[in-house]
Amino acid sequence: DQQVKQNSPSLSVQEGRISILNCDYTNSMFDYFLWYKKYPAEGPTFLISISSIKDKNEDGRFTVFLNKSAKHLSLHIVPSQPGDSAVYFCAASAGGTYKYIFGTGTRLKVLA
Amino acid sequence: EADIYQTPRYLVIGTGKKITLECSQTMGHDKMYWYQQDPGMELHLIHYSYGVNSTEKGDLSSESTVSRIRTEHFPLTLESARPSHTSQYLCASKGGYYEQFFGPGTRLTVL
Repeated sequence: DQQVKQNSPSLSVQEGRISILNCDYTNSMFDYFLWYKKYPAEGPTFLISISSIKDKNEDGRFTVFLNKSAKHLSLHIVPSQPGDSAVYFCAASAGGTYKYIFGTGTRLKVLA
Repeated sequence: EADIYQTPRYLVIGTGKKITLECSQTMGHDKMYWYQQDPGMELHLIHYSYGVNSTEKGDLSSESTVSRIRTEHFPLTLESARPSHTSQYLCASKGGYYEQFFGPGTRLTVL
């Protein structure tokens, strides 16, 4: 059973508009969440994270929102740029286990 | 800047061969991980290590083995490669913060 789900396999957005990527989880023990970006033939690179004690974390154009009651988090990219085109993975960990559960990824395409 | 390296980047090999995928990091991180990823799928943890001489199997069963004799080195070995082992293998390390740093990956094809 998948504990971290990214139900949209792909998303297309116009340059300059907002990209919203979603992630749902089922394990209430998860207390830390991360977003990674992955280009083809490269390893994932860390983007932004959020602890369960917060509901929002912002870093430049990237903002992550956490809704614990809904077990849902989202990544907002504003404004979207063509260089943001990549696969985005969300990941979750529980209680300092140092193990991460990843979603299946969402492929974002930003159209110029 | 993360410094984690994987070699080879691409490997095409015949069934039955023994292979070792190399992973090294220069950040002094204690924790290291191996993930397996197929296209369109999530990253599956197959091995992890908390430090030297400490290795554990991950959530996805794998016929591979690992060793951690030095902090910076975490190689993965397949004694007898099979077509079902065809996949991308990603190595990662983690220090005192939550984020993991990933290497570029090895894309393995077993014919």
